[in-house]
Amino acid sequence: QMQLVQSGTEVKKPGASVKVSCKASGYTLTAYYLHWVRQAPGQGLEWMGWINPNAGGTNYAQKFEGRVTMTRDTSISTAYLELNGLTSDDSAVYFCARLATMGIQPKFDPWGQGTLVTVSS
Amino acid sequence: SYVLTQPPSVSVAPGKTARVTCGTDYFGSITVHWYQQRPGQAPVLLVYDDTDRASGISERFSGSNSGNTATLTISGVEAGDEADYYCQVWDASNDVYVFGPGTKVSV
Repeated sequence: QMQLVQSGTEVKKPGASVKVSCKASGYTLTAYYLHWVRQAPGQGLEWMGWINPNAGGTNYAQKFEGRVTMTRDTSISTAYLELNGLTSDDSAVYFCARLATMGIQPKFDPWGQGTLVTVSS
Repeated sequence: SYVLTQPPSVSVAPGKTARVTCGTDYFGSITVHWYQQRPGQAPVLLVYDDTDRASGISERFSGSNSGNTATLTISGVEAGDEADYYCQVWDASNDVYVFGPGTKVSV
């Protein structure tokens, strides 16, 4: 059974950085692109970017360029999201999601359980 | 980039049919995917490429696309269907993934 398991809740101060992990099981991490999506409290889903776990290439949403880094460690089947220069606007639940390739166009399935990041002084 | 619109909320009585729409200027060759997000949980893929149900998803969920409006239909609505529903597309020209604002379905 394909599964993505994320790291636990984080509380950070403004200006700090956060690194969230996403461990894949039930499939080979390097076989599918891995995306990150966030959701602020009471808000909708916001796509942040993807990493190709095989070659390490990335594509970030313009909004996060220069502040986000997506990496992976294939030896432990884990992908990472690092976000720098945190502000209160970055308080959100961060999800990883595997790119699903069945059908015509790319979609997300499955998703990790989410990691709550709270930015507060 | 695509901008998707969804009604903020839809209310439906148990056993009835709920329809959630996702609009844009024109989808063209773009296909629409739908996700269900129950409170406190991660999204789950329901319907992909306009009409195909994801693995393990009830036949009560179905999708359609008329060109500028995609619709998720929930037949025989149950209390457990109360959730937020999001549509999503891929903007291939910019390699950007776009979500609709979400619709809260109340039963």
